[in-house]
Amino acid sequence: EVQLVESGGGLVQPGGSLRLSCAASGFTFSSYSMNWVRQAPGKGLEWVSYISSSSSTIYYADSVKGRFTISRDNAKNSLYLQMNSLRAEDTAVYYCARQGSVYYYGMDVWGQGTTVTVSS
Amino acid sequence: SYELTQPPSVSVSPGQTARITCSGDALPKQYAYWYQQKPGQAPVLVIYKDSERPSGIPERFSGSSSGTTVTLTISGVQAEDEADYYCQSADSSGTYHWVFGGGTKLTVL
Repeated sequence: EVQLVESGGGLVQPGGSLRLSCAASGFTFSSYSMNWVRQAPGKGLEWVSYISSSSSTIYYADSVKGRFTISRDNAKNSLYLQMNSLRAEDTAVYYCARQGSVYYYGMDVWGQGTTVTVSS
Repeated sequence: SYELTQPPSVSVSPGQTARITCSGDALPKQYAYWYQQKPGQAPVLVIYKDSERPSGIPERFSGSSSGTTVTLTISGVQAEDEADYYCQSADSSGTYHWVFGGGTKLTVL
């Protein structure tokens, strides 16, 4: 079964740091690009970051650029999001999502999400 | 920054056709995608490449594109289709600079 499982969420103070992980199984992780997408409470989806299969190409949304770092370990079938200088507006459910094998396939597999709360 | 505009809500009766639009200046040049999200669940891809349906998605879901507007059409709406729907596309920066629309709440009356 193709599956993505996020972990690492929690309560953190403003200005703090958190590292999210996404464990992939059921497919050849090293062949797929990946994304992080977040959803603030009661709000819509917001794309956060993209990383290519070999980590050679990385993109960030303007809202997190310079504060968040996406990375992956293909040997461990894992995707990461290092979040620094966290703000209240970063409070959200964070999803990892697989980019389809061809770019126009969309985000075809999603995890169940992990909740990040930034509050004092 | 680039925006995709969706109506906040659409309401239809069971068996009718629901149409959800998404507007954006770059849509003539970039593919659009549609996701369904039910409360407490992760999004599910229902349309990719403007009008293609992933395997396992019912035929009543279809997509179309015309100029700066893309449309998700759900024919013969069922109660189980009640959900939030999001369009997604890329901005002018490049293919993987993704943007989501604000979402449309589909209510089945």
